[in-house]
Amino acid sequence: AQSVTQLGSHVSVSEGALVLLRCNYSSSVPPYLFWYVQYPNQGLQLLLKYTSAATLVKGINGFEAEFKKSETSFHLTKPSAHMSDAAEYFCAVNTGNQFYFGTGTSLTVIP
Amino acid sequence: NAGVTQTPKFQVLKTGQSMTLQCAQDMNHNSMYWYRQDPGMGLRLIYYSASEGTTDKGEVPNGYNVSRLNKREFSLRLESAAPSQTSVYFCASSARTGSVYEQYFGPGTRLTVT
Repeated sequence: AQSVTQLGSHVSVSEGALVLLRCNYSSSVPPYLFWYVQYPNQGLQLLLKYTSAATLVKGINGFEAEFKKSETSFHLTKPSAHMSDAAEYFCAVNTGNQFYFGTGTSLTVIP
Repeated sequence: NAGVTQTPKFQVLKTGQSMTLQCAQDMNHNSMYWYRQDPGMGLRLIYYSASEGTTDKGEVPNGYNVSRLNKREFSLRLESAAPSQTSVYFCASSARTGSVYEQYFGPGTRLTVT
């Protein structure tokens, strides 16, 4: 069975500080992993995806994530937070045409 | 290219009323999905359709029915709405690129059942 765990339902960072959002997965097969962002009152937008081509994946808006098989993790980072990064972030794992989502992490950026 | 569209954007129902949420995609995707989003629970799959003419239950199908009308449209029906169905509903479609599927989401329908 596939599953995703996001540690920390709420994360607060100061503007300009490092953003680290944690995601651990459980998968019986090599996973395809995604990070989505949801701005208030909007749908989910793809930030980045891991498809086994490279362990460090770069996405939009300066975000990146590193796939670590030994730790079954796919944490999302951004070196310097911007006010516009305040949103809900979801990690997801894909198997076939099925997607399994984490419970989300709400990011607050403090000016 | 509008992507995935959903109607209505907002809806208030009384307990026991019925309604249909509409979803359409113009990307020629085979697979379509309905999710509900509740605080602290992420997205939970209600139903999905791998291709035109097929539908399958997801994690939380009770109280819902779906119709894959054609390749573009996938509707979700609440026959007798209950307060527990107050939620934000998202439709999505997916396309396969190589061995991985990528999902595209609509803007959501915010449903309140009183």
